[in-house]
Amino acid sequence: TQLLEQSPQFLSIQEGENLTVYCNSSSVFSSLQWYRQEPGEGPVLLVTVVTGGEVKKLKRLTFQFGDARKDSSLHITAAQPGDTGLYLCAQTGANNLFFGTGTRLTVIP
Amino acid sequence: DTEVTQTPKHLVMGMTNKKSLKCEQHMGHRAMYWYKQKAKKPPELMFVYSYEKLSINESVPSRFSPECPNSSLLNLHLHALQPEDSALYLCASSQDPRTGWRTEAFFGQGTRLTVV
Repeated sequence: TQLLEQSPQFLSIQEGENLTVYCNSSSVFSSLQWYRQEPGEGPVLLVTVVTGGEVKKLKRLTFQFGDARKDSSLHITAAQPGDTGLYLCAQTGANNLFFGTGTRLTVIP
Repeated sequence: DTEVTQTPKHLVMGMTNKKSLKCEQHMGHRAMYWYKQKAKKPPELMFVYSYEKLSINESVPSRFSPECPNSSLLNLHLHALQPEDSALYLCASSQDPRTGWRTEAFFGQGTRLTVV
């Protein structure tokens, strides 16, 4: 199992600001997923990235997979209070799913 | 229907009790998972079932006993738990264990367990 480190661990920003969250691994990912978990809920998939250098956009969210497939980032533009939650990157294996350390984001109105 | 249903939503049990957590999905998924999540921490994988057979046990203590009676149901039997086992227990499923690494995992809302 790879160790997936996310940074920052906590982030509190004002509505309208931009932010970037990072996910780093000691080894190469076969593929990587980003999830968001809101309080009292299970994680919900945001995106899957597979190819090194891949960039995917989901409305105000931009996901990037590093060229070497050992890191990934999530950039949020003009954050809104509804973006508040725990953001998790996850390593996907043959039939398992291991989560990173998580970034807890709070967007203040 | 993309729902994973977990019952109960909340459970308080004593250290000598025996209880079970239940998880159900009707998406035809053949991989099912149990995760444990402590407060302010990410989910930690406990067990993986692939085609109703236990394929991964992440060194979980024997006081947690999983069971997959059919392709739609996953249970977690609890016995002689400790207060430190208090956590949110999440169930998830994904489509096909053979291609699991490319497919989405769907999570239930979890069971909030308190051991007293």
